[in-house]
Amino acid sequence: DAGVIQSPRHEVTEMGQEVTLRCKPISGHDYLFWYRQTMMRGLELLIYFNNNVPIDDSGMPEDRFSAKMPNASFSTLKIQPSEPRDSAVYFCASSSTPQQETQYFGPGTRLLVL
Amino acid sequence: AQSVAQPEDQVNVAEGNPLTVKCTYSVSGNPYLFWYVQYPNRGLQFLLKYITGDNLVKGSYGFEAEFNKSQTSFHLKKPSALVSDSALYFCAVRDHFGNEKLTFGTGTRLTIIP
Repeated sequence: DAGVIQSPRHEVTEMGQEVTLRCKPISGHDYLFWYRQTMMRGLELLIYFNNNVPIDDSGMPEDRFSAKMPNASFSTLKIQPSEPRDSAVYFCASSSTPQQETQYFGPGTRLLVL
Repeated sequence: AQSVAQPEDQVNVAEGNPLTVKCTYSVSGNPYLFWYVQYPNRGLQFLLKYITGDNLVKGSYGFEAEFNKSQTSFHLKKPSALVSDSALYFCAVRDHFGNEKLTFGTGTRLTIIP
């Protein structure tokens, strides 16, 4: 298995632009998680899906952030409009049931908003 | 509520010496506990987990961790450190009951000195 795939690996954009991050979970996994990592705040869970349905989006910082999972093999995290404080590494992870299953992380997308 | 604490931001160990990275947790029920490692510019890699059973858990790369319920701890250990073990280590916890959310510690940077 190729593991969790994320694209792009690096993104540099200007403030106000729309940013779309993409994730392909491990085949057969029915949970998908989006995390953000910064020096100041560490690793934060933004949102997670189960069977393509958003279960908990309480970590999404504000309305500028949105996430979708149109099918079992694809998810997007969108920031519109982007701001410099959104600069971070964004990780996608997936896992399967039952509850104690391990989350497997993708390589991350390093976002820089100028 | 669930939480995890990694009391040391930085741990330095001489190559060949034993290493310990500390983690304590708080959950309302029985914990599921995980250790992940992050190398520079990479995603988090799973090392080991405790779900139930033997308190001593063995994982990847010669690492092990001991679950101590009375001290609510799950310290990561290795008998003989390698320079290649230098990385950022994260402890994570999930409550036995309820949601799928993992709560991560702030991370401990382990440096192995040749």
